[in-house]
Amino acid sequence: QQQVKQSPQSLIVQKGGISIINCAYENTAFDYFPWYQQFPGKGPALLIAIRPDVSEKKEGRFTISFNKSAKQFSLHIMDSQPGDSATYFCAASLQNTGGFKTIFGAGTRLFVKA
Amino acid sequence: DAGVTQSPTHLIKTRGQQVTLRCSPKSGHDTVSWYQQALGQGPQFIFQYYEEEERQRGNFPDRFSGHQFPNYSSELNVNALLLGDSALYLCASSGVNTGELFFGEGSRLTVL
Repeated sequence: QQQVKQSPQSLIVQKGGISIINCAYENTAFDYFPWYQQFPGKGPALLIAIRPDVSEKKEGRFTISFNKSAKQFSLHIMDSQPGDSATYFCAASLQNTGGFKTIFGAGTRLFVKA
Repeated sequence: DAGVTQSPTHLIKTRGQQVTLRCSPKSGHDTVSWYQQALGQGPQFIFQYYEEEERQRGNFPDRFSGHQFPNYSSELNVNALLLGDSALYLCASSGVNTGELFFGEGSRLTVL
């Protein structure tokens, strides 16, 4: 119920290509779906996020596509650059009286070849 | 504006010992969450503190405990350390009504 499943584990993309990372969740109570980017030696940082009442959100080269009925969402990185090489985590959050509880996927290691 | 700060950055302990990790949240944030990140894995939710109380807890044993102080800073305590406790421990702060987490760089714990 609380799991977030992420794929692929690793991804190699040519510079200028499109990187696509997929996630699936089970708990329909989740109401906030962020993506985090983590570089080696650093903590994760929020990249982009979406709420389930929206099917798509775009910020620059990063787009989240959200399919509520399938309980799936994905991150698309357009025109991928070597500087995008990092580990990406999808996550799902639910808000209750204690605040937001955020569950992370296992991560996708992206390498963009120059 | 200081972000989330954690200390120590690295530490080595032996099995059975106890450890305390510390976190200062981003200015203006009142909620602190702790995560355990094993090598090559995603962060696993340990617990969350707000108003000096543990509000939510993940699937971690009672050996993991915490505290939040009036200035919103927080501590994570782990007793009776096991080899499997070796990981990066991340602290994240947020406003109570926002889902965005701001992470520190973590405390890397090695248990020998």
